[in-house]
Amino acid sequence: DTGVSQDPRHKITKRGQNVTFRCDPISEHNRLYWYRQTLGQGPEFLTYFQNEAQLEKSRLLSDRFSAERPKGSFSTLEIQRTEQGDSAMYLCASSPGTGNYGYTFGSGTRLTVV
Amino acid sequence: AQSVAQPEDQVNVAEGNPLTVKCTYSVSGNPYLFWYVQYPNRGLQFLLKYITGDNLVKGSYGFEAEFNKSQTSFHLKKPSALVSDSALYFCAVRDDGSARQLTFGSGTQLTVLP
Repeated sequence: DTGVSQDPRHKITKRGQNVTFRCDPISEHNRLYWYRQTLGQGPEFLTYFQNEAQLEKSRLLSDRFSAERPKGSFSTLEIQRTEQGDSAMYLCASSPGTGNYGYTFGSGTRLTVV
Repeated sequence: AQSVAQPEDQVNVAEGNPLTVKCTYSVSGNPYLFWYVQYPNRGLQFLLKYITGDNLVKGSYGFEAEFNKSQTSFHLKKPSALVSDSALYFCAVRDDGSARQLTFGSGTQLTVLP
């Protein structure tokens, strides 16, 4: 499979717990993005990496959220002390470093905080 | 700042009829425009893009979109709708400047009735 992979597909957690999601982009893509999508809404930008450098962070990304891409390949998104408002679909996407391409999205991780 | 408006939350069309899903945008520079489709519990799938050139862009599954600079619109069209086209459609934009992230509209649910 040469697409964008996200793991897990679904996560149910209790409020206050920490969760971590993983994204494996297309191998030749050096740009990686995280988005959050709530029911009935379009995806909202969270953060963007070029290789291992985190170049942009949205104001939506509170201090409880942290993302890494340590070797410029896979990325992790961690949410600490989860709140019910964090329940959403977390989407990862990647794109090539050059050219004016759209993103290739993964299938997402659906987080439910109970 | 960049923004996208999809004025219709829901579009219903009979199978075999033409369909249009509307999108208007706002960017500070020249726009790069995209349409994505999302099926239930899945990530977003790329349909087509406008970067430059011909205002009529053809994409996957028989979809096309027309870029209209004066009306700042990028409506998605298909001459003959299929029941399998029923899904959630998102328009997205970024400008041609330094911003790398796409901004998405809130989505339009297309239902094709048999």
